Amino acid sequence: DSGVTQTPKHLITATGQRVTLRCSPRSGDLSVYWYQQSLDQGLQFLIQYYNGEERAKGNILERFSAQQFPDLHSELNLSSLELGDSALYFCASSGVRDEQYFGPGTRLTVT
Amino acid sequence: DQQVKQNSPSLSVQEGRISILNCDYTNSMFDYFLWYKKYPAEGPTFLISISSIKDKNEDGRFTVFLNKSAKHLSLHIVPSQPGDSAVYFCAASDSNYQLIWGAGTKLIIKP
Repeated sequence: DSGVTQTPKHLITATGQRVTLRCSPRSGDLSVYWYQQSLDQGLQFLIQYYNGEERAKGNILERFSAQQFPDLHSELNLSSLELGDSALYFCASSGVRDEQYFGPGTRLTVT
Repeated sequence: DQQVKQNSPSLSVQEGRISILNCDYTNSMFDYFLWYKKYPAEGPTFLISISSIKDKNEDGRFTVFLNKSAKHLSLHIVPSQPGDSAVYFCAASDSNYQLIWGAGTKLIIKP
């Protein structure tokens, strides 16, 4: 158990809809990262927040947005969903240095 | 531009033998390197790391070697066990603490 929690575990929705994925980092970690893993692909970095502020952006679509709240939990919002958005979405957190600890992921299926 | 490359998509090793996973990088500013292990439908798990001031770090059956002049690192697993079958990701970070990920190598341990 990494200490990072993600909800929901599974999500099935239709094209054009909007969903919100939630992540709670390990206790004391200030950084939260979001990643996307499509079928048998590598990890695609989406975005990083540090103590409530956006720190880095990766390959995140304009239809996607995220935020980190004062209690350090984070939400990833995916809108106007397309079939290609079906993937595993991972959240990770880190403390002082680079070691990121990953949550179990949310499996999103867009039908 | 792939700054971190894992050129072998898969590797098959006999149980009990040594597994060697390789990773090359191009950015000389990377100063910290990490290996992660990932089972299907689970989040990656941190395995071992190495700072650029070292050339070797060992943790039980896992040893990471860093050759800075060749911009190459490797992960050795001795002896290989069936539970080691997973995808292994190499990652590197610079002073901005952003992780750049390789595409992963699928390790298969044969009984």
